[in-house]
Order: sequence, then C-alpha cells, then structure tokens
Amino acid sequence: AQTVTQSQPEMSVQEAETVTLSCTYDTSESDYYLFWYKQPPSRQMILVIRQEAYKQQNATENRFSVNFQKAAKSFSLKISDSQLGDAAMYFCAYFRNSGYALNFGKGTSLLVTP
Amino acid sequence: KAGVTQTPRYLIKTRGQQVTLSCSPISGHRSVSWYQQTPGQGLQFLFEYFSETQRNKGNFPGRFSGRQFSNSRSEMNVSTLELGDSALYLCASSPGGAQFYEQYFGPGTRLTVT
Repeated sequence: AQTVTQSQPEMSVQEAETVTLSCTYDTSESDYYLFWYKQPPSRQMILVIRQEAYKQQNATENRFSVNFQKAAKSFSLKISDSQLGDAAMYFCAYFRNSGYALNFGKGTSLLVTP
Repeated sequence: KAGVTQTPRYLIKTRGQQVTLSCSPISGHRSVSWYQQTPGQGLQFLFEYFSETQRNKGNFPGRFSGRQFSNSRSEMNVSTLELGDSALYLCASSPGGAQFYEQYFGPGTRLTVT
C-alpha cells in the first residue's frame, strides 16, 4: 500500500516570506502522480500543483513550486511571497494509475501572520 | 462549466438510521470518487465509479455503498449509522480517459450522527 507522510502538523510563515512544506511517500510503482491540495476553512479542496513522476522537471504554478526527488520519494511544496489567503490546511496526495484513488497525507496547517 | 455539486451540504442523523448523499460531477466527467474526512483518520478513499461501474473500493465496511447513474451522477449510502460515521464526505469528479488523474472536488456534505 502506498503511504504519504507529512511530518509537519503545523507551520507558520510571515507575510511575503517563503515557506516549505514537506512530504514523503512510499511506493513500488514507477508511474504515478503527486499533488498538493489546499483546504481553507470553507473545506473546499483546491488543487495547488501537480507533478507527474515521469517528469524530471519540477512543477511550478505562480508562487507555488515543488521539489520532487523521485529516488528519495520526497515531494515538498515551496510557497513564495506568502499571502494571508494562503492560510489553510495543505495535503500532499499520491495517485497511481491503476488505483483510481488519491492517497492523502495527514495534512499541514499553515498559518500566515501579518 | 459548473463545478462539482453535492447535496445536501449538511445533515444530522440519529445512530441506526441510514443516509444517502448525492454528487453531481462536472459536465462531461465520467468518473466520480468519494472520500471521507475525519479529524482522526484524515482523508480516506471510499470508492470510485466510472461509467456506472465501481472500479475501486477503499477499506470500509459493507454499510458504505454507492452507485453511479447513466448521467454520471453518483450517490453514496450509509446504512445503520454509527457515531464514528460523523465526517465530511467529499466527492470528486474526473474526466476519465487520459486525464483520469485530474480530480475536482465538491464542497462536501457534513454528516453529523447523534
């Protein structure tokens, strides 16, 4: 079974600063996808960024970027120029092609202070 | 396009009763997945349907069941409710085909069992 581990239950960052959220996963598959989802207090799950395992280049979406280390099975999220609206629970998730299901980590609660 | 819709948004039931939750996917999406979110267990996969066929099921008791209709709308049913079934139930839809990994979440149904 695939497991996703987020070792930081809570993180705090000041506005305009940079923060990195960590995620590791365990799998024997070679073809899979990794995601970061954001869940604000409204509880709506929002996709932040996606990484295909077969791509060596790290994904980037505006202020959000990942550091994907396939051999180390590590997938961290960097948020640059943090904004108050970034405050939310962030979930790392793994998706394998034949499983049709997302495996989520326990989440990291991000607090953004002025 | 309209997003994923879930009804009802909030539900209060008594232990022993049964409940049916509904999910309408994004137009054109043929895959629907269900997830349970609780503070203790986090986000857990329930089941996934594609073209009215269940393709994968999570590790939940038989009291949890689902189905998908020909218009891709999906329902999940929980019979003989237990206090531990209190959770946020999230539905996600996916185009299927080559974009099967793209999952778009609905706002969730908050179920409280008393």
